Amino acid sequence: DTAVSQTPKYLVTQMGNDKSIKCEQNLGHDTMYWYKQDSKKFLKIMFSYNNKELIINETVPNRFSPKSPDKAHLNLHINSLELGDSAVYFCASSPLARANSGNTIYFGEGSWLTVV
Amino acid sequence: AQSVTQPDIHITVSEGASLELRCNYSYGATPYLFWYVQSPGQGLQLLLKYFSGDTLVQGIKGFEAEFKRSQSSFNLRKPSVHWSDAAEYFCAVGRPHTGTASKLTFGTGTRLQVTL
Repeated sequence: DTAVSQTPKYLVTQMGNDKSIKCEQNLGHDTMYWYKQDSKKFLKIMFSYNNKELIINETVPNRFSPKSPDKAHLNLHINSLELGDSAVYFCASSPLARANSGNTIYFGEGSWLTVV
Repeated sequence: AQSVTQPDIHITVSEGASLELRCNYSYGATPYLFWYVQSPGQGLQLLLKYFSGDTLVQGIKGFEAEFKRSQSSFNLRKPSVHWSDAAEYFCAVGRPHTGTASKLTFGTGTRLQVTL
């Protein structure tokens, strides 16, 4: 069973379109994330939700809007797509940190978005 | 602000040879450190992590890493590389966010090529 699953895996769309990427985790984690990997393979956090509440919101254009209907799902909606949005978007999840330890973050397979 | 440096962009080793991938970090507090691997067209898989305790940590696929606070390093090692280890390797430092989530700051990655 896939722990963190994303759909679609590949998406090619035209500039100006609106698209969504869905993410689901079956690990029972309370926290979910979206990370973006650009063309140079640099990875950067975009958002994080804990139990459906937004807790991390990096400097991301307003065209990107995450939605968490429940703690097992975190979807990413992108409005008015631009060429620069072409990237790989990774969903991830993590359990609560224990004392003297951090959160171990588990990533999905990624969604390759190409804007033409 | 935390940062991660992976000085080697690309490394080529022969199958069966030993491997060491370098990672240096900058972080003001006790770091939580991770190594992830990304095979071509695939997602990010967690190889190992360091939170506290024994500074030599064992991971999956025969990998290990050693945390050296004095050198601000967390180098990844493998005694004998297999052709299937060819991939992109990312070092990351995690910064806790209220205990419910962590922000991972990634290095730029090291691409490992294995020759037969």
